[in-house]
Amino acid sequence: DTGVSQDPRHKITKRGQNVTFRCDPISEHNRLYWYRQTLGQGPEFLTYFQNEAQLEKSRLLSDRFSAERPKGSFSTLEIQRTEQGDSAMYLCASRGLPHNEQFFGPGTRLTVL
Amino acid sequence: AQKITQTQPGMFVQEKEAVTLDCTYDTSDQSYGLFWYKQPSSGEMIFLIYQGSYDEQNATEGRYSLNFQKARKSANLVISASQLGDSAMYFCAMRERGRGGSEKLVFGKGTKLTVNP
Repeated sequence: DTGVSQDPRHKITKRGQNVTFRCDPISEHNRLYWYRQTLGQGPEFLTYFQNEAQLEKSRLLSDRFSAERPKGSFSTLEIQRTEQGDSAMYLCASRGLPHNEQFFGPGTRLTVL
Repeated sequence: AQKITQTQPGMFVQEKEAVTLDCTYDTSDQSYGLFWYKQPSSGEMIFLIYQGSYDEQNATEGRYSLNFQKARKSANLVISASQLGDSAMYFCAMRERGRGGSEKLVFGKGTKLTVNP
């Protein structure tokens, strides 16, 4: 179990630029989640994959956001035309049997200037 | 929609003492799961303990125990023998059944615990 990894750990970008984050889940986990956490709040659900299928998207996920998990392994989250309100920590988590809990990665902290 | 309430923005405890972090929840589901996660300043969410709604015993994991009172809809975390390394944000969460079987987590706003030497 090498844990969930995310890349990059930090990203600073200018408003209007596109950014892409990567998540590598624990290898045998078929469920993958993205969450967003803003200052002083708990994480909020963004989207869920089971294998390669994206089965749920939150209303928080505007049209500027897109997520993929092409081969049911790693996942990417892209934000187009970033806005200052997108500044947050983006957390990825995975889950597989027999666990009840989700295992989180270290997060990608995005700052939009 | 489910809801998690953590009413303590911050808590202080002396090293080696026990501390209780409060969590209440609201759900109409009969089957649900409750979790506690720790988030140090580094940002990673670390799983601590899980309680299923049908579990008859309160969950325990080392120095962590969950005081589960189903009728009161509370799931308080008890940390015994606090250590300096326990200083962190603590989040209570509930598993919510979503579309496609997502079983996503809904989190409270967290409690910042500070352990004093």
